[in-house]
Amino acid sequence: DAGVIQSPRHEVTEMGQEVTLRCKPISGHDYLFWYRQTMMRGLELLIYFNNNVPIDDSGMPEDRFSAKMPNASFSTLKIQPSEPRDSAVYFCASGTGNQPQHFGDGTRLSIL
Amino acid sequence: DAKTTQPPSMDCAEGRAANLPCNHSTISGNEYVYWYRQIHSQGPQYIIHGLKNNETNEMASLIITEDRKSSTLILPHATLRDTAVYYCIVRSRSNDYKLSFGAGTTVTVRA
Repeated sequence: DAGVIQSPRHEVTEMGQEVTLRCKPISGHDYLFWYRQTMMRGLELLIYFNNNVPIDDSGMPEDRFSAKMPNASFSTLKIQPSEPRDSAVYFCASGTGNQPQHFGDGTRLSIL
Repeated sequence: DAKTTQPPSMDCAEGRAANLPCNHSTISGNEYVYWYRQIHSQGPQYIIHGLKNNETNEMASLIITEDRKSSTLILPHATLRDTAVYYCIVRSRSNDYKLSFGAGTTVTVRA
């Protein structure tokens, strides 16, 4: 079975540009999570969805960040405008019920 | 969710068992103990979880003390590919599906 698929794997862009990260969860999973990992802060939860509805976005750092889940098989995390401090690895994970979350391989984002 | 305490690092010899401790003294009755690991440049990988009883799967064994205040993850025959950061996480059984990752234990398996 295909796991969680994230794209792109790497993104390098200049400060001020819009960045869109994409995630395809495992089919049948009704929970989707976005995490960010940095050396300073470790792995932190940004937002999660249940049945395409945002449940908790308390981890979203500021209004420059937004996430959507238009359907059960696709989600985006958008940063506009991007800043150098947004450089990190962004992970998407999906899960269902009380089953473990499964993570994608992440998007390594560098903002110059 | 209860907090966890893990040693920052440990070494293990290839082929030997690796025993990774975790303290979660404030765990409540409705919280699971989960273990994930993260190999360099990859996403976290689920290993095992448990509530009260010891658990075993193809990857590892999880031993939870009777008072549930601590647990040990056992990798029975460590290989070089088990070198990773291992995270012990306490998660509520309720509808809150969030995972809070700490710093974890960096495990280095040496030949």
